[in-house]
Amino acid sequence: ETGVTQSPTHLIKTRGQQVTLRCSSQSGHNTVSWYQQALGQGPQFIFQYYREEENGRGNFPPRFSGLQFPNYSSELNVNALELDDSALYLCASSLVSGPTAGELFFGEGSRLTVL
Amino acid sequence: RKEVEQDPGPFNVPEGATVAFNCTYSNSASQSFFWYRQDCRKEPKLLMSVYSSGNEDGRFTAQLNRASQYISLLIRDSKLSDSATYLCVVRDDKIIFGKGTRLHILP
Repeated sequence: ETGVTQSPTHLIKTRGQQVTLRCSSQSGHNTVSWYQQALGQGPQFIFQYYREEENGRGNFPPRFSGLQFPNYSSELNVNALELDDSALYLCASSLVSGPTAGELFFGEGSRLTVL
Repeated sequence: RKEVEQDPGPFNVPEGATVAFNCTYSNSASQSFFWYRQDCRKEPKLLMSVYSSGNEDGRFTAQLNRASQYISLLIRDSKLSDSATYLCVVRDDKIIFGKGTRLHILP
């Protein structure tokens, strides 16, 4: 296994609510990225954090926000949930340098259903 | 043009056959390239990085053509366990996944 853990694994929210998803990165990895994967689609890049700062962002609105903590774990927060936010949310950890730089190691994901 | 495009699937291939996937990307400044596989309702897992000179790992060969902006993955002597969705990934200041190509290996 990758050593990347995510919580919760499943959750159900209603439209307009807020959600926080959590991710612990693989030991030694200093970079965390988040993805949204709808059924039948590839993962869509939300953003990446390195040394507690966001250093890359995909085409997601500001109601998608995140944090990275000194231990490199991370949170994804989504405000004002919409029905289309229902998806699998994946977290991946990686390194920025070295022979394995850029290789992503994923957690099992958090499946969010918005009703 | 989409940032990353993959062959539409699914591919239904008999066991033992050779399968080839292609993936094109739009940003010529893209820096690194990868292939991942994803089993149904599971997370993506790294299959291999793609190096400029091409690289091989057992039955799998990956190639990069920067001039034409595409990467490829060849699977030789396909096994039933190769059935999965194959995703190409291109990195610049973002991390972009293709939609994936579903592969079914038939017994």
